[in-house]
Amino acid sequence: AQRVTQPEKLLSVFKGAPVELKCNYSYSGSPELFWYVQYSRQRLQLLLRHISRESIKGFTADLNKGETSFHLKKPFAQEEDSAMYYCALSGRSGGGADGLTFGKGTHLIIQP
Amino acid sequence: DAGVIQSPRHEVTEMGQEVTLRCKPISGHNSLFWYRQTMMRGLELLIYFNNNVPIDDSGMPEDRFSAKMPNASFSTLKIQPSEPRDSAVYFCASSLGAGFLSYEQYFGPGTRLTVT
Repeated sequence: AQRVTQPEKLLSVFKGAPVELKCNYSYSGSPELFWYVQYSRQRLQLLLRHISRESIKGFTADLNKGETSFHLKKPFAQEEDSAMYYCALSGRSGGGADGLTFGKGTHLIIQP
Repeated sequence: DAGVIQSPRHEVTEMGQEVTLRCKPISGHNSLFWYRQTMMRGLELLIYFNNNVPIDDSGMPEDRFSAKMPNASFSTLKIQPSEPRDSAVYFCASSLGAGFLSYEQYFGPGTRLTVT
């Protein structure tokens, strides 16, 4: 069975401080990992995916297969980063979309 | 494009009543997903369709839940009879469904269901 764990329900940091949102997963195969974000009064949306190795809004995430982790990081937090962040896993590779397994989310609050 | 459209946005019903949630995916998307969000269990996948065909319904909690996708532009999630523990936010999402870019799922605004 696949599982995604986000150990922190709430994370509060000051503006300009580094941010790290933790995500660990359990999956026997080769997973696809994602971070989704939900800003206040907006829809859940994709932030980034591990396969594209991109940086979005200053955020990066590296898949560590040895530690089965996919932590989300940003060196300098901004107030507009305040949101709910969800780590998600897709267990099938190749063509065709697959349902996602989500973590329970971390509420990130950036204090001025 | 209005994105994924869900209706109703809010639904309050009494225990035992039938509830039907509706979803219109983004035009051209071949995959559609239904998720449920509760405080206790977070976001859970209920069922998903590829090209209107149900692929995996293992997340559907029990026989009271059913989902259909009669065509590429419409899907329903039905609960009959509804129970208070079904109270949750139900999300619909869609994606292109093939290839590398298929994995981005676009979410609707959700339907908040309250069963009293």
